[in-house]
Amino acid sequence: NAGVTQTPKFQVLKTGQSMTLQCAQDMNHNSMYWYRQDPGMGLRLIYYSASEGTTDKGEVPNGYNVSRLNKREFSLRLESAAPSQTSVYFCASSTGRTKNGYTFGSGTRLTVV
Amino acid sequence: AQSVTQLGSHVSVSEGALVLLRCNYSSSVPPYLFWYVQYPNQGLQLLLKYTSAATLVKGINGFEAEFKKSETSFHLTKPSAHMSDAAEYFCAVSGDLTGTASKLTFGTGTRLQVTL
Repeated sequence: NAGVTQTPKFQVLKTGQSMTLQCAQDMNHNSMYWYRQDPGMGLRLIYYSASEGTTDKGEVPNGYNVSRLNKREFSLRLESAAPSQTSVYFCASSTGRTKNGYTFGSGTRLTVV
Repeated sequence: AQSVTQLGSHVSVSEGALVLLRCNYSSSVPPYLFWYVQYPNQGLQLLLKYTSAATLVKGINGFEAEFKKSETSFHLTKPSAHMSDAAEYFCAVSGDLTGTASKLTFGTGTRLQVTL
């Protein structure tokens, strides 16, 4: 099935641990994005990649790093997890043209204890 | 910068009643506007979008929205609610029309409850 695939779906980390969230799309999209969703705050952009080889900070980048491994894959890394990073993380992709909107993955629910 | 405001974090309607979810936007350039729906424990799915063609936009599952420039609004409606419409709905506006990536800015969401 064409779309955006995120792994893992659920994860529990201890404070200070590190992990990488994986995202892959098979729609030949140019742009990819990482958002976090918190109750009452909607979706906030963490990082995005306009095209292969480029990455830029979004609204809430602190505590995260990203890698655009190739056109298909865009990973999000938490180097030293904090309880404030407990959230649902969504990866999305788009053609890069504004009017086309995004295709979203099903999300990763992360809890940091 | 662009932003959206969704009025009402929770809306409750009876099955068969009109659904009206409100969205107002702020944009310094002509916007592209989107409505997404999120069912429990799922990702976001595109309902409909306004891209400067017709101001009345029809989407999936019987939803539609009207772009009103004078009111800077893009409210989502459905004539008759169904139990399966219970979900969270997000309005979004395009962020950077001059950049190389279409960054969307999302509202805080409206949770729709449908009762018998």
